[in-house]
Amino acid sequence: DGGITQSPKYLFRKEGQNVTLSCEQNLNHDAMYWYRQDPGQGLRLIYYSQIVNDFQKGDIAEGYSVSREKKESFPLTVTSAQKNPTAFYLCASTPNPARDRENQPQHFGDGTRLSIL
Amino acid sequence: AQKITQTQPGMFVQEKEAVTLDCTYDTSDQSYGLFWYKQPSSGEMIFLIYQGSYDEQNATEGRYSLNFQKARKSANLVISASQLGDSAMYFCAMRERNSGNTPLVFGKGTRLSVIA
Repeated sequence: DGGITQSPKYLFRKEGQNVTLSCEQNLNHDAMYWYRQDPGQGLRLIYYSQIVNDFQKGDIAEGYSVSREKKESFPLTVTSAQKNPTAFYLCASTPNPARDRENQPQHFGDGTRLSIL
Repeated sequence: AQKITQTQPGMFVQEKEAVTLDCTYDTSDQSYGLFWYKQPSSGEMIFLIYQGSYDEQNATEGRYSLNFQKARKSANLVISASQLGDSAMYFCAMRERNSGNTPLVFGKGTRLSVIA
């Protein structure tokens, strides 16, 4: 089945450690996104990529980094510079609007819960 | 300024009753899209319904309908005949310059609890 796979489901980070969250999609979507969700809060955009080898900062990019070397993959690294990384991280994707309807919703993975040890 | 405002942190509704979840938005764009998502306690985001700024009819999808009032910049979600499985967080979101790849901006959500 087509979809977005995020791994791991749960992740623990030690102080001063970088960790990488995986996001893989087999939907042939061009655009991918990373959001952060804190308890009782909405989703805030970290980074997004509209095409391979290109990405843009979102509203809360500090302390995070991404890469987009393949269309299917958009990993997020939470660096030691992110002082409050405990949150729920959601990856999403959308098709290319040139080929698909512009009202396409974002499709989401099941998320990764990151906690500090 | 917040682009999406959901003023109801929590709502309760009796099973089989209808409920309205409020959403107001702020944009200067003429072309935009409005989305509603459901997030159960398991965390996944489930797309419910979409309304385009140029759509003349209110969107409907099964038990979900959108009360779109463009002049008031509101896009309220109406759930009819509530079920226990409707208990979840509900998020309103907007895409400006309705181009498909522009990221969605989300509100803070409303937690709906359906009571038997």
